[in-house]
Amino acid sequence: DGGITQSPKYLFRKEGQNVTLSCEQNLNHDAMYWYRQDPGQGLRLIYYSQIVNDFQKGDIAEGYSVSREKKESFPLTVTSAQKNPTAFYLCASTLMTSGGYNEQFFGPGTRLTVL
Amino acid sequence: AQSVTQLDSQVPVFEEAPVELRCNYSSSVSVYLFWYVQYPNQGLQLLLKYLSGSTLVESINGFEAEFNKSQTSFHLRKPSVHISDTAEYFCAVGRIQGAQKLVFGQGTRLTINP
Repeated sequence: DGGITQSPKYLFRKEGQNVTLSCEQNLNHDAMYWYRQDPGQGLRLIYYSQIVNDFQKGDIAEGYSVSREKKESFPLTVTSAQKNPTAFYLCASTLMTSGGYNEQFFGPGTRLTVL
Repeated sequence: AQSVTQLDSQVPVFEEAPVELRCNYSSSVSVYLFWYVQYPNQGLQLLLKYLSGSTLVESINGFEAEFNKSQTSFHLRKPSVHISDTAEYFCAVGRIQGAQKLVFGQGTRLTINP
């Protein structure tokens, strides 16, 4: 089955520790995205990548880092510099074609709790 | 820049009653419009989208939304809701030109009471 997988589903970490969230897609999509979801705030874009080895900051990139070494993988690291990391993190991907719009598909999410 | 405002954070309705979830947007450029649905502890699923053409768009499960350019709105409606419609609904916009980034509203939690 084609889709986006995120692991783990739940993640607990102590304050001050870096943690890496996994996102893998087998849809052969070009672009991948990381969003953060907090109650009452909707989804906010952290980072996105349109091609391998390239990525751009979104609206709330501070305290996060990403890499895109392979087309199918886009891991997100939540660093100790992120002041309030407890949240639900969603990964998405889409095809990039010239003209028109392609739907963003979302993974099931990772709920990160910092103790 | 774009912004999206969902005017109601929570909407409780009775089963089989009609519902409207309101969405207004602001953008200096042309945008596409979307409604996504999120069931508890899951990712988002695309419910419907407006790209061009008819301003009334429909989903397969009875929802519809109407794009109103003059009022910059994209309200979501369903004439008769079911318990299974209980979820959070997000309105989003994406620029027609440039990177395919989405800007989301705050979400509306729809609760269906029997």
